[in-house]
Amino acid sequence: DIQMTQSPSSLSASVGDRVTITCRPSQSINNYLNWYQQRPGTAPRLLIFASSRLHTGVPSRFSGSGSGAESTLTINGLQPEDFATYYCQQTYSVPHTFGQGTKLELK
Amino acid sequence: EVQLMESGGGLVQPGRSLRLSCAASGFTFDEFGMHWVRQIPGKGLEWVAGVSYDGTYTGYVDSVKGRFTISRDNAKNSLYLQMNSLRVDDTAFYFCVKDRLGLMSGDFDSWGQGILVTVSS
Repeated sequence: DIQMTQSPSSLSASVGDRVTITCRPSQSINNYLNWYQQRPGTAPRLLIFASSRLHTGVPSRFSGSGSGAESTLTINGLQPEDFATYYCQQTYSVPHTFGQGTKLELK
Repeated sequence: EVQLMESGGGLVQPGRSLRLSCAASGFTFDEFGMHWVRQIPGKGLEWVAGVSYDGTYTGYVDSVKGRFTISRDNAKNSLYLQMNSLRVDDTAFYFCVKDRLGLMSGDFDSWGQGILVTVSS
């Protein structure tokens, strides 16, 4: 199985900040990578698929990029509703494994 | 609006069986792959099983192979997960999830609210 390692595990930031979360797969996944947001008590929500494609309805302050060994999720201009946990996921092969999550907290 | 409503969860003893159901609405069910994803309370996400739009292809995480069976009834817009030989470590919230595509791409674009399965004696 492909292991997905996210960093950092937690992150403190303020409204308006720019933050970046990194995901590193244990082997090449050819940018078959998604990002999800999960607010407390709710189901996850797809933000980005195929490394950089914004899912319908997701604000443009979210962006994703990938370069072989590493992928990043960037949020430009944090909003109060963005404080949540973020997961990366590879869809290159089954099982579609997730990272351990990054909890974004208000500073 | 896509709606996915899970049912069938609850408390069950180790070794027993449980069947989860998911009622889907708001989209053309027989055009999309479907999945079950689970989450231990307070922990991360784990893909459990997936099925293609027509039920031809299925896939499972190793830890449930031979114990869980995913299936779908397109006439009823419903997804199922038959869980046999349940273990304590199967305890989790189980989410019914819609795929962005017809085959199991793994792009989970709509989620149910989740249902809790607790395996305990």
